[in-house]
Amino acid sequence: DAGITQSPRHKVTETGTPVTLRCHQTENHRYMYWYRQDPGHGLRLIHYSYGVKDTDKGEVSDGYSVSRSKTEDFLLTLESATSSQTSVYFCAISSNIYEQYFGPGTRLTVT
Amino acid sequence: DQQVKQNSPSLSVQEGRISILNCDYTNSMFDYFLWYKKYPAEGPTFLISISSIKDKNEDGRFTVFLNKSAKHLSLHIVPSQPGDSAVYFCAAGPSNSNSGYALNFGKGTSLLVTP
Repeated sequence: DAGITQSPRHKVTETGTPVTLRCHQTENHRYMYWYRQDPGHGLRLIHYSYGVKDTDKGEVSDGYSVSRSKTEDFLLTLESATSSQTSVYFCAISSNIYEQYFGPGTRLTVT
Repeated sequence: DQQVKQNSPSLSVQEGRISILNCDYTNSMFDYFLWYKKYPAEGPTFLISISSIKDKNEDGRFTVFLNKSAKHLSLHIVPSQPGDSAVYFCAAGPSNSNSGYALNFGKGTSLLVTP
């Protein structure tokens, strides 16, 4: 399995609070991605990174920001969490255009 | 707008029989296709892929077929086993991206293989 971890694995937070999710990889892969999974929607891309400090928006980027200051870490921040951001968040990594390897996920509940 | 569509939310198959999961796409720029399998409380795991230069790719019990003219692909699992019970996601993307290679996922098909 690809060396990819996510923290925290579970989090409950209140509306309006900032939240940061961390994705850490030990594979030295160039590309990193953040997805959210919701019932009836499958996996939707939030943001992705194609190198240190190189990021771009995905399909559902509103309300989210990301940062990648080093190869191994990709942070997803919700500046002011809303109930619509309650979801399961998955980080993924890849070294080429092909297979992406996913982390175990973070279940976020915004009350 | 959903560019990758899995129109069957669920499928039930008897153990030993063939499971056929279908996927349609709308973006003609997509030329690389993947299937992922997901168990509850785990991240998706890569299963099998196919590029547009092929129409079939096989890996053990899993075969993916691609019909480019119809913008359709399917995953065949033969024979199906109870351990195959999971949600299967179809994903697609363009191989000529000059930045990230973001994948577009379908909504998933939940497969149940009964003994």
